[in-house]
Order: sequence, then C-alpha cells, then structure tokens
Amino acid sequence: DQQVKQNSPSLSVQEGRISILNCDYTNSMFDYFLWYKKYPAEGPTFLISISSIKDKNEDGRFTVFLNKSAKHLSLHIVPSQPGDSAVYFCAARATYGQNFVFGPGTRLSVLP
Amino acid sequence: KAGVTQTPRYLIKTRGQQVTLSCSPISGHRSVSWYQQTPGQGLQFLFEYFSETQRNKGNFPGRFSGRQFSNSRSEMNVSTLELGDSALYLCASSPLDPFSPYEQYFGPGTRLTVT
Repeated sequence: DQQVKQNSPSLSVQEGRISILNCDYTNSMFDYFLWYKKYPAEGPTFLISISSIKDKNEDGRFTVFLNKSAKHLSLHIVPSQPGDSAVYFCAARATYGQNFVFGPGTRLSVLP
Repeated sequence: KAGVTQTPRYLIKTRGQQVTLSCSPISGHRSVSWYQQTPGQGLQFLFEYFSETQRNKGNFPGRFSGRQFSNSRSEMNVSTLELGDSALYLCASSPLDPFSPYEQYFGPGTRLTVT
C-alpha cells in the first residue's frame, strides 16, 4: 500500500510558466514533508520542506502548499526554467526521527 | 564541506553472489540511511543507522544488512543476489539536529546490476 502517491508520472510545461507537482498521502500521522529534485546519475537534492503546522512555505521560485484535510501537498515552480527538468519526489514522515516515505516521483520537462 | 560519497559508483554481479556498498556521510553527520530506487517504485527505505545502531528498518528481506562504524561511515551488504536486486542504491546522511529542519543529503548512488 503506497502511503505517498504522485499520480502524474510526467509533466511538461513551457519555459516561464508555472509548474505544479502534486502529492497525496494516506497516513494522517505524517507531520513533515520534503520535496527533492533528482537529475540522472545524481542523488536527490533537497528542495523545500514544510511542517504540518504550516500550510505554505516559500523559497525563491519554489512554494510548497499543504492541505492537511485533503492530505495533499503541491510544489509550485514559478517561473519554470529548462534547468528545472528533473524527477521530483515528495517524501513524508510521521514522527521526528522516523524514516521518510517517498512517492514514486514525477518527471518534469520544461520546454524552451 | 564534502558531500556524501558512495563507492563504487557502478557494479555488476552475478546471481547468488554477495555485494558490499560503502557510504561516507557528510562530516559531522551521525545518521546514515539507505534507499533502493527502481524504475516506477521511487525510493524504498532500507534502513537507518545512528551512532552505530540501527534505528529504523524498512520492509526488505534479511539478505539486506548494514552497519555503521564509529566514524559514521556505513556499509550495506546484500547476500545471495537476485535479478530483482538490480537498482540504484542511495545513501543519505543527516545531522539529526532536533533544532533544525530534518533534511537528508544524498550521495550519487551505486548502480548495481545483477546478471
């Protein structure tokens, strides 16, 4: 049973437009969420996080929104750049110190 | 600071053999986690070590094991390799500072191919 879902395996966006990547989770005990970006032949790179006490966190072009009642989070990238083309993973954790559960990833392609 | 390093980067083994992968965390980080990445499955958590003790374990068979040394370096071992063990194995380190956001820093991974 997949506790963290990313239902879109891939997404294509035009350069300069907004990219919205979605993530759904089933475990209501998850209290901390991360987004990672992964390029081929490299390990995932931390992008942004959000705690369950917040509903939004912003860092430059990246904003993560958390809707606890819907058990849904999304990553917005504005404006999208070709260098953002990568696989994006969301991850969730139930308790501090416990392991993170990762989604299957969404491949984002930003077209010039 | 140097990042997380993993050796070797690529490995080809035969079914039935065993393999040992190595991970050196970022200096000062005491937590090391291991993940298996296969196409379409995302990252599957294997185990986490903190101060030489296994703190968390994922849902993998006993053929997968690990350890952590006093300098925080970690190894994982897979015995009796199966074709399905072909994957990218990622190591991540964390300072596990309770006063800072919990983040993991990943190495580049070891690509294991079992033939």
